[in-house]
Amino acid sequence: DAGITQSPRHKVTETGTPVTLRCHQTENHRYMYWYRQDPGHGLRLIHYSYGVKDTDKGEVSDGYSVSRSKTEDFLLTLESATSSQTSVYFCAISESSYRAVTGELFFGEGSRLTVL
Amino acid sequence: LAKTTQPISMDSYEGQEVNITCSHNNIATNDYITWYQQFPSQGPRFIIQGYKTKVTNEVASLFIPADRKSSTLSLPRVSLSDTAVYYCLVGGLLEIKAAGNKLTFGGGTRVLVKP
Repeated sequence: DAGITQSPRHKVTETGTPVTLRCHQTENHRYMYWYRQDPGHGLRLIHYSYGVKDTDKGEVSDGYSVSRSKTEDFLLTLESATSSQTSVYFCAISESSYRAVTGELFFGEGSRLTVL
Repeated sequence: LAKTTQPISMDSYEGQEVNITCSHNNIATNDYITWYQQFPSQGPRFIIQGYKTKVTNEVASLFIPADRKSSTLSLPRVSLSDTAVYYCLVGGLLEIKAAGNKLTFGGGTRVLVKP
């Protein structure tokens, strides 16, 4: 299995508080992604990164920001958490642009976030 | 982006073959077809990927007809541990500049294998 670690795995927070989720990889893969998964919506892309300091928005980026200062770490930040951001968040990595765009991703175990 | 349609759920029994068909009528020339498997409380896991005809690995087979407007994931002789959600994805090269991945996951097919 690919070396991907998400932290925290579970978090309960209150509306309006900032939250940061961390994705750490040991594969030295260039591409990293954050998805959220909700019942009835499948997996939706929030943000992705195609290199250190290179990031772009996905389909549901509002309310989220990301940073990637090192190859191995990709941080997802909720500046002011809302109840609609209660979800399971998955980080994914991909080795190359070819593998990234044709769909071969490796996923982490997920981070379950509850915003009260 | 090519949208995919797959059945919401399927039931099967141990030892049977399970075939899940995914429809992707507006697939583009450069798009590949990829299938993922997801168990409860885990991230999706890559199963198989193909462009045309047939691809087989140790886990599954993927059948893609000539028009590529659909694809079928075949799981031979399923066991209870194959109970999971299976996602069909279609995607390909976007702008070379960003080489971004905006692959869309649909709702998936929930496969229940019974004893």
